[in-house]
Amino acid sequence: EVQLVESGGGLVKPGGSLRLSCAASGFTFSSYDMNWVRQAPGKGLEWVSSISSSSSYIYYAESVKGRFTISRDNAKNSLYLQMNSLRGEDTAVYYCARDLTAPSGVWGQGTTVTVSS
Amino acid sequence: DIQMTQSPSSLSASVGDRVTITCRASQGISNSLDWYQQKPGKAPKLLLYAASRLESGVPSRFSGSGSGTDYTLTISSLQPEDFATYYCQQYYSTPYTFGQGTKLEIK
Repeated sequence: EVQLVESGGGLVKPGGSLRLSCAASGFTFSSYDMNWVRQAPGKGLEWVSSISSSSSYIYYAESVKGRFTISRDNAKNSLYLQMNSLRGEDTAVYYCARDLTAPSGVWGQGTTVTVSS
Repeated sequence: DIQMTQSPSSLSASVGDRVTITCRASQGISNSLDWYQQKPGKAPKLLLYAASRLESGVPSRFSGSGSGTDYTLTISSLQPEDFATYYCQQYYSTPYTFGQGTKLEIK
């Protein structure tokens, strides 16, 4: 079964850090670009970051540039998002998603990040 | 950045109705558009890709059309399980951007 499972969310104080992980299974992870997409409570979807299959190309939304770092380990079939200098507006459910430019879209179930003092 | 303007933001309809949701891009996106369905507490589900291609397993009552800057999602005959929020998303260029969503409610 093709699956993405996120982990690492939680409650963190403003200015703090958190590292999200996404474990992939059921497909050849190293062949696909990967993404993080978030959804603030009661709000719409916001693309956060993308990384190409070999990590050669990395893109960020302006809202997270300089604070978040996307990475992947193809040997471990895993995607990561290092989030630093967190703000209240980063509070959201974070989804990892396989290649947003291709059919057969696959999304994880999401992990919740809450930034609050 | 490409802005995606989706309308309407909410819609009330009855089972069996035909509904249409539109999405307008701020510049041409060459059919690089996906449509998603999201139910409360769940991840988005891909319905259509490349503006009009039905994702495997998605019922044929869902269809998409459009070109250039203007795109539509049509549900030909609403079923109870279709009441959800729908999003368009362009992947023509980064930052990938989503429409603000259309909440489809039961009349």
